[in-house]
Amino acid sequence: KNEVEQSPQNLTAQEGEFITINCSYSVGISALHWLQQHPGGGIVSLFMLSSGKKKHGRLIATINIQEKHSSLHITASHPRDSAVYICAVSPTQGGSEKLVFGKGTKLTVNP
Amino acid sequence: DAGVIQSPRHEVTEMGQEVTLRCKPISGHNSLFWYRQTMMRGLELLIYFNNNVPIDDSGMPEDRFSAKMPNASFSTLKIQPSEPRDSAVYFCASSLGTVNSPLHFGNGTRLTVT
Repeated sequence: KNEVEQSPQNLTAQEGEFITINCSYSVGISALHWLQQHPGGGIVSLFMLSSGKKKHGRLIATINIQEKHSSLHITASHPRDSAVYICAVSPTQGGSEKLVFGKGTKLTVNP
Repeated sequence: DAGVIQSPRHEVTEMGQEVTLRCKPISGHNSLFWYRQTMMRGLELLIYFNNNVPIDDSGMPEDRFSAKMPNASFSTLKIQPSEPRDSAVYFCASSLGTVNSPLHFGNGTRLTVT
């Protein structure tokens, strides 16, 4: 079983819809990261959080440490949000710099 | 800030050839990471350096893989000899190296070994 599980693997939405991507992990962590990988391949760090909630524009990330679960929400989705969203955790064991990655969620937003 | 710079963007080589991937981290960043991304396994950490010193190379798949960081502004990942199963996208990333500092990724090198 992977230490970081994401769901769904693939998600198709219509423009304007509210999107939720989920991430569950099984290890103790010092932080959780959400990354975005566009079709061109580049990876961008969206959020790093260890508690509560963070918001940036239309993106919201939440984490529940007790339940070992995080969600990434996109409000008023747009075709340019189409990308692969990757959850990664910094384990407290083994060094917080050794991120463990989920397999990613491929989001397609249709106009 | 130019970001993390990787070269080449694409590399196509024949099995058995030596491949060298290059990375220039963001100036001032103390940690540098090499990752490999495949469809089957997603992103995997190969090796990371802190202040130019290799800290953990447990992700390096075989002795055919080696990485160096001769100074704070340059790192290489070498595969010798290359094999078709090495085909993947290789990412370099850097960070400030403080606890939970965010990662900054390069655009990756897409390697195809035929």
